[in-house]
Amino acid sequence: DTEVTQTPKHLVMGMTNKKSLKCEQHMGHRAMYWYKQKAKKPPELMFVYSYEKLSINESVPSRFSPECPNSSLLNLHLHALQPEDSALYLCASSLRTGTGFGYSPLHFGNGTRLTVT
Amino acid sequence: ELKVEQNPLFLSMQEGKNYTIYCNYSTTSDRLYWYRQDPGKSLESLFVLLSNGAVKQEGRLMASLDTKARLSTLHITAAVHDLSATYFCAVDKENSGNTPLVFGKGTRLSVIA
Repeated sequence: DTEVTQTPKHLVMGMTNKKSLKCEQHMGHRAMYWYKQKAKKPPELMFVYSYEKLSINESVPSRFSPECPNSSLLNLHLHALQPEDSALYLCASSLRTGTGFGYSPLHFGNGTRLTVT
Repeated sequence: ELKVEQNPLFLSMQEGKNYTIYCNYSTTSDRLYWYRQDPGKSLESLFVLLSNGAVKQEGRLMASLDTKARLSTLHITAAVHDLSATYFCAVDKENSGNTPLVFGKGTRLSVIA
């Protein structure tokens, strides 16, 4: 079982809906990530939070809004999505980010399968 | 821009045969990761290679890293059906060991009887 928990597992939403994806870890990790994975494609980085601050935004459209309320939680707020946003959204965490701290592997959650209709 | 290239992208192999998946990357990184993904599932970490010449083995899979050639290989020995999955290699974006990973396109492996 993964130590990174994502909810919901599946989500179907219309283009006018507002929904949120949630990610939780209790490993004491201080870096958390959102990746998007389309079918038969590799995961693509969306956002990185380090010590609850947004450190990387890979030019993601504003209809995706990340939030890190505390070191254990990561949310992805969704609004006015398009059908092409349908994908598997993966959350990951690592002990920390940055240089000089040694190796810190990523732990992935099981993902949320999002379908936009 | 960091590029990570895997080949082959598709691999169909018979049970009992051996084969190698290759992963080339464009930056001077000494950390390379191999993941396995089953359909509809998340990513499972297989190997982490942290230095030039590193070799790790787990069951029928063996991974190696040559940082000078910027090449990693994942060797499959005597394949079995349970190894059917998509295999991704990934490299740290900024070679700091703790930055986001950039993934190769993946190798979809199908092991047939």
